[in-house]
Amino acid sequence: DIQMTQSPSSLSASVGDRVTITCRASQSISTYLNWYQQKPGKAPKLLIYAASSLQSGVPSRFSGSGSGTDFTLTISSLQPEDFTTYYCQQSYSTPRTFGQGTKVEIK
Amino acid sequence: EVQLVESGGDLVQPGGSLRLSCAASGFTFTHYWMSWVRQAPGKGLEWVANIKHDGSEKYYVDSVKGRFTISRDTAKSSLYLQMNSLRAEDTAVYYCARDGWSSGYYKFDSWGQGTLVTVSS
Repeated sequence: DIQMTQSPSSLSASVGDRVTITCRASQSISTYLNWYQQKPGKAPKLLIYAASSLQSGVPSRFSGSGSGTDFTLTISSLQPEDFTTYYCQQSYSTPRTFGQGTKVEIK
Repeated sequence: EVQLVESGGDLVQPGGSLRLSCAASGFTFTHYWMSWVRQAPGKGLEWVANIKHDGSEKYYVDSVKGRFTISRDTAKSSLYLQMNSLRAEDTAVYYCARDGWSSGYYKFDSWGQGTLVTVSS
């Protein structure tokens, strides 16, 4: 199974900050990498697929990059509604594994 | 509008069984793979199983193989998860998710609201 490791597990930031979350795969997954946002008590929401493609309806302040084993999710200017948890997930092989999550908190 | 509505979650004793359902609408059900994803209380997301458009292929995470069965009913546009020999560690919110496809890439692009399964005596 492919292991996905996110860093950091949590971070503190302020409104307007630029934030970067990293996801590392245990083996190369090309660009088969998705990012999700999950708010408390709600289902996850797809933000980025294929490592860098923005899902329809997602604000352009979210962007993704990377290939192989190392990926990043960047929020260019944090908004109040962005303080929540983010997960990466590989779609290269089954089982489809997720990272452990990164919680973005208000500083 | 794509809608996925899960039902069937409940409190069940260890060793018991439960069947989850997911009613799909707003899209052509027969065009998509479908998945179940779960989340234990306070924990991260774990993919559980998925099933091909026509039900001919099914895949499971190792921890549920031999205990859980995924299935679908085309006529009812519904997805199911039969869970047997339940354990405390199966306690979680179970989400139904659509396996969207775009230019060769799969993604969970629509999710239900989730249904809670609690395994406890």
